[in-house]
Amino acid sequence: EVQLLESGGGLVQPGGSLRLSCAASGFTFSSHAMGWVRQAPGKGLEWVSGLSGSGGSAYYADSVRGRFTISRDNSKNTLYLQMSSLRVEDTAVFYCATWDWNYYFLDYWGQGTLVTVSS
Amino acid sequence: QSALTQPASVSGSPGQSITISCTGTSSDVGTYDFVSWYQQHPGKAPKLMIYEDYKRPSGVSDRFSGSKSGSTASLTISGLQAEDEADYFCCSYAGSSTLFVFGTGTKVTAL
Repeated sequence: EVQLLESGGGLVQPGGSLRLSCAASGFTFSSHAMGWVRQAPGKGLEWVSGLSGSGGSAYYADSVRGRFTISRDNSKNTLYLQMSSLRVEDTAVFYCATWDWNYYFLDYWGQGTLVTVSS
Repeated sequence: QSALTQPASVSGSPGQSITISCTGTSSDVGTYDFVSWYQQHPGKAPKLMIYEDYKRPSGVSDRFSGSKSGSTASLTISGLQAEDEADYFCCSYAGSSTLFVFGTGTKVTAL
């Protein structure tokens, strides 16, 4: 059974940093592209970032490019999202998901971790 | 890249069929056959319902079907049930720079 467990969310001040983690199990992690999707309170879904299985190709939404960095440790079956220069508008639940590299869909999702940016 | 346009809400009586539209542009829905749909119950993670415009993952009820015409994709729920009440989001591949664009979301209510 595929399981994705996010952690690392919390309250941070504007301009601060936070690192999210996503621990994966139940599938061959290194063979799967992974992504982060966020959802602001009461709002819709927004694609944030994606990373190939090898970690060699990374993608970012314009809204986070230059502030967020996606990475993975395939030896630990873990995906990361390093977030810096956080803004109030980054407040959201962040989901990690497996991403089908060839057909562009997100097939398995974690339960999410809440990031609150507030002074 | 702007979000894909969905109606804010769609409702129907149990047993009826409803259709949710998802309108994009020639930069996303109109060019790529990679529209997916996600169901999200309150407080829960999204769940994949349709991929590649019309394909259903294993385990998803055949009451859910997808289609597309031009730059508008659609999700149809046949035989609406109370458990189908949820938010639904479409998503499209939008090229190697943008990658994914989501729809604005539709709240489905079974009256």
